[in-house]
Amino acid sequence: EIVMTQSPATLSVSPGERATLSCRASQSVSSNLAWYQQKPGQAPRLLIYDASTRATGIPATFSGSGSGTEFTLTITSLQSEDFALYFCQQYDTWPIAFGPGTKVDIK
Amino acid sequence: EVHLVESGGGLIEAGGSLRLSCIVSGLTFRNAWVSWVRQTPEKGLEWIGRIKGAGATTDYAAPVKGRLSISKDDLKSTVYLQMSSLKIEDTGVYYCTWQATFSNYFHRWGQGTLVTVSS
Repeated sequence: EIVMTQSPATLSVSPGERATLSCRASQSVSSNLAWYQQKPGQAPRLLIYDASTRATGIPATFSGSGSGTEFTLTITSLQSEDFALYFCQQYDTWPIAFGPGTKVDIK
Repeated sequence: EVHLVESGGGLIEAGGSLRLSCIVSGLTFRNAWVSWVRQTPEKGLEWIGRIKGAGATTDYAAPVKGRLSISKDDLKSTVYLQMSSLKIEDTGVYYCTWQATFSNYFHRWGQGTLVTVSS
């Protein structure tokens, strides 16, 4: 069973700055990785799939990279609406698994 | 646009059962793959099961297999989750989600329904 970890647990960033979030898989998941954003009281929203493909309607300020076991979600020029919780999810090997999340908050 | 709306959550005693419903719109429901994902304080986001398309075949996560049953009604565009022998650790928000056929990530999520299991 693949275990997903994310770092850091909390990332404090000033508005307008860049945020870099990391996700690691306990074994290779190829490029079968997705990222989600969750705001308080809301359901998660798909941001990125196949490690680097933006979902419909997701702005270009969000980008994903990586393959194998190491992945990164980058948010350039953070806006107020981007302060949220971010999860990664592998779907390469059954059972699919989510990471514990990184909270991006205002510095 | 695909839209999912869950209902049926609430306060349930340990050992009891629940049935959640998820109404899906914006796609050809008969062919849809719909998963249930829950978010609990203990385990975070956890995929627990799904029903796949016209054949209505189902898959369940090992921790809930045997206690979980997912079914659907094509005429009502509704997916059901039935869970029995509820435990305190089943407490959480239950989301139904839509995944594209043969993909295993989740394009759309419902707003979620809260299930609280009491001792």
